[in-house]
Amino acid sequence: DTGVSQNPRHKITKRGQNVTFRCDPISEHNRLYWYRQTLGQGPEFLTYFQNEAQLEKSRLLSDRFSAERPKGSFSTLEIQRTEQGDSAMYLCASSLAARGTAEQYFGPGTRLTVT
Amino acid sequence: SQQGEEDPQALSIQEGENATMNCSYKTSINNLQWYRQNSGRGLVHLILIRSNEREKHSGRLRVTLDTSKKSSSLLITASRAADTASYFCATARFGNEKLTFGTGTRLTIIP
Repeated sequence: DTGVSQNPRHKITKRGQNVTFRCDPISEHNRLYWYRQTLGQGPEFLTYFQNEAQLEKSRLLSDRFSAERPKGSFSTLEIQRTEQGDSAMYLCASSLAARGTAEQYFGPGTRLTVT
Repeated sequence: SQQGEEDPQALSIQEGENATMNCSYKTSINNLQWYRQNSGRGLVHLILIRSNEREKHSGRLRVTLDTSKKSSSLLITASRAADTASYFCATARFGNEKLTFGTGTRLTIIP
């Protein structure tokens, strides 16, 4: 399978715990994006990387959130001290942007439930 | 925040009919993209239209873009049960790679 993969697919955690999600993009893609989607809404941008550099972070990404993309390959999104409001689907996408903006290919998402 | 809004929020049609969804957005854009999302799953890219294009086709899909009205429409012809999904428009601005999604249209095809 050469698509974007995300792990885990589902995560249930108690409030206050830390969680980490992983995204493996399409191998030749240099850009990687994280979005968050709550029920009945469209995805909202969180952050994106070009290779290993994090180029933009949304105001939605509070200090409890951190994302990394070491070596410009896979990426991790960590949420510290989870809150019930963090419950959402976390989507990862990747693209190959040689010139201009390209379409983004999305993974299946990680559904987080904070109890 | 959501930039775009899709209209209608929900649409139910008989299989074989055409489905039209509209999207409005607020700022100038580099391109507009349409995505499909089946229940509880990831998004699938359908079509991208650039700001200097007015119409684009892909199979049973036809997308129009009117930058003067800041609006786009997605037409699905000869609908099938498998087209049942939520459809989102997403915009990208010049010099900014993030996508800003609308609120989505939930399409139900009745067999």
